[in-house]
Parts: sequence; structure tokens; C-alpha cells
Amino acid sequence: SQTIHQWPATLVQPVGSPLSLECTVEGTSNPNLYWYRQAAGRGLQLLFYSVGIGQISSEVPQNLSASRPQDRQFILSSKKLLLSDSGFYLCAWSAGPGGGYTFGSGTRLTVV
Amino acid sequence: ELKVEQNPLFLSMQEGKNYTIYCNYSTTSDRLYWYRQDPGKSLESLFVLLSNGAVKQEGRLMASLDTKARLSTLHITAAVHDLSATYFCAVAPGYSSASKIIFGSGTRLSIRP
Repeated sequence: SQTIHQWPATLVQPVGSPLSLECTVEGTSNPNLYWYRQAAGRGLQLLFYSVGIGQISSEVPQNLSASRPQDRQFILSSKKLLLSDSGFYLCAWSAGPGGGYTFGSGTRLTVV
Repeated sequence: ELKVEQNPLFLSMQEGKNYTIYCNYSTTSDRLYWYRQDPGKSLESLFVLLSNGAVKQEGRLMASLDTKARLSTLHITAAVHDLSATYFCAVAPGYSSASKIIFGSGTRLSIRP
């Protein structure tokens, strides 16, 4: 069966520090991968998605970036965090059109 | 640009009552998803609706899709406290080749005894 792993679960970082969040999927090949952010008490905002290695689509211009160095690995990064980057970051995968989207357990990021 | 609107945003209801959450979207789509989120947790998939007229039921929850009206409903029958959570709908823009899904703002459901 397929599983999705996301870490760390919780992160507190100072303003201006770098960020690296990792997401990996097991039990499938060539998944579509997604990064969403959820501000406190709000809906989900799509940040990036990828349909293959090295292929990244950015939905919202900001100081975050994403990379997909391997088929089942998706990384969210920032060189310098802002206070507004605080939120709940969720990674998701899907097998393609018509399939469901399965979410990881999330990373709660607080920028102080 | 696809916009997804849910209403109501907040709903407080008594156990045993029935209610419906609505999800409207602005552009053509043939795929709609419903998720549940408990406080501080990730999203749990409830339903995947892939065609006009699709209806799916799981326990006290029933979801339907009308692609012509660009509307999906999530109906709650005889609510129980365990159903208290935030419910999100999400829509894939365009037809089945689209890779991403866009979420509504969510409906926070509170069920009281």
C-alpha cells in the first residue's frame, strides 16, 4: 500500500533562517506531488505541484521554492523565512487524473 | 481562474438534526473531492465524485455532484458529536487532464448534544 511521510511534525524557526521540509511517498511510482499551506483557521492554499522529477509548477509567488530531486521526494525550501510563512504545511500525492489525493500528516511551522 | 465557495463557513447544530453543506465552483470541472479535518490534524479523504449526478454515501454523510449547476452538497443525517470537524470541498479545474485541486474555505461544523 502507499504511504506518505512528512517531517518534521513541528518546527520553530527565527525570521531570516532557512527552511527545508521533506516529503516522501512509498509504494507508488511517478506520483503527482503537492505542497499546500494552511494559515490558522483558514483554508488550504496550493503552493507548488509536480508531475515528474525536476518539474515544478508554482502557484503563488513568494519566497518559497520547491524541488523534486527524486521520483518520490518533494522538498519545500526557503532561504530566508518571514513571519508570514508561519502555518501548517501539507504535502499530498495523487496517482493522476481521476484519483484521490492523499495528504501527509503535516508540518506546523512557527516563525518567530 | 477557478474559485470554490463553501457555505456556510460555520455551522452549529444539535445532535439528531439534518443539515447540508454547499460547495459552488466557478468553472467547468468533472472532479470534486470532500475532506474532513479534525483540529490540529491533516486532511482525511471522504468522497471522490467523478461525474455529473454522482452520489456517494458513508454512514451519516452523503455527497452529490451536479456539474451543470457547478454544485456539490454534503448532507449530514441525524448528526452525532463525532462528526464535529471542518469539512472541505476541493475541485479540479477543467477536465480530467488537470493535475491540481483547489480548496474551498472549509465549513467548521460543531455538533452539540
